[in-house]
Amino acid sequence: GQNIDQPTEMTATEGAIVQINCTYQTSGFNGLFWYQQHAGEAPTFLSYNVLDGLEEKGRFSSFLSRSKGYSYLLLKELQMKDSASYLCAVKDSNYQLIWGAGTKLIIKP
Amino acid sequence: DVKVTQSSRYLVKRTGEKVFLECVQDMDHENMFWYRQDPGLGLRLIYFSYDVKMKEKGDIPEGYSVSREKKERFSLILESASTNQTSMYLCASSGGVSGGGQETQYFGPGTRLLVL
Repeated sequence: GQNIDQPTEMTATEGAIVQINCTYQTSGFNGLFWYQQHAGEAPTFLSYNVLDGLEEKGRFSSFLSRSKGYSYLLLKELQMKDSASYLCAVKDSNYQLIWGAGTKLIIKP
Repeated sequence: DVKVTQSSRYLVKRTGEKVFLECVQDMDHENMFWYRQDPGLGLRLIYFSYDVKMKEKGDIPEGYSVSREKKERFSLILESASTNQTSMYLCASSGGVSGGGQETQYFGPGTRLLVL
């Protein structure tokens, strides 16, 4: 079967750095997405990786290793507004998105 | 900016009622999707559509149907609502030909449905 694993919850301190991991086992791979979802709101697109390596976008970076079926989202200089759930999703061989359950990130002052 | 709107943010219905959830996007996207989101589970695809009048079953289509009469509008129908359909329903749209690579899905604000 297809599976996306992420930690359920993480806690970090304002101003610090946090890394959210995602491992996947899917039938085929056509890219990996990270979305942010604040409580009660819609998911919003953060990043897309299809090749191995690091993609940097401001305070957020996303890394992919296709051979290991692994990605991480790195958030730097954490702010209180970064408290949200972070969803990892993989596009499979049928170009359908397979979603992880999300990681709830709690930022403490 | 892409805008995806959903007809209701909150909805309370009784068991057995027919429920209509509407979704409209303003970016001329070909692809539209309906998901449900439950605590502890990833988004689960109910139905999707790659073109007008076209629909495809997702992972959990049972108890649901859809309609896409116009490109911008995708409706989800619960023929006879049941308590296990209490959930958050999210609509999404994306552009480009189906099967594209970086085909980002843009989401509506969601409808939180409670079936009593």
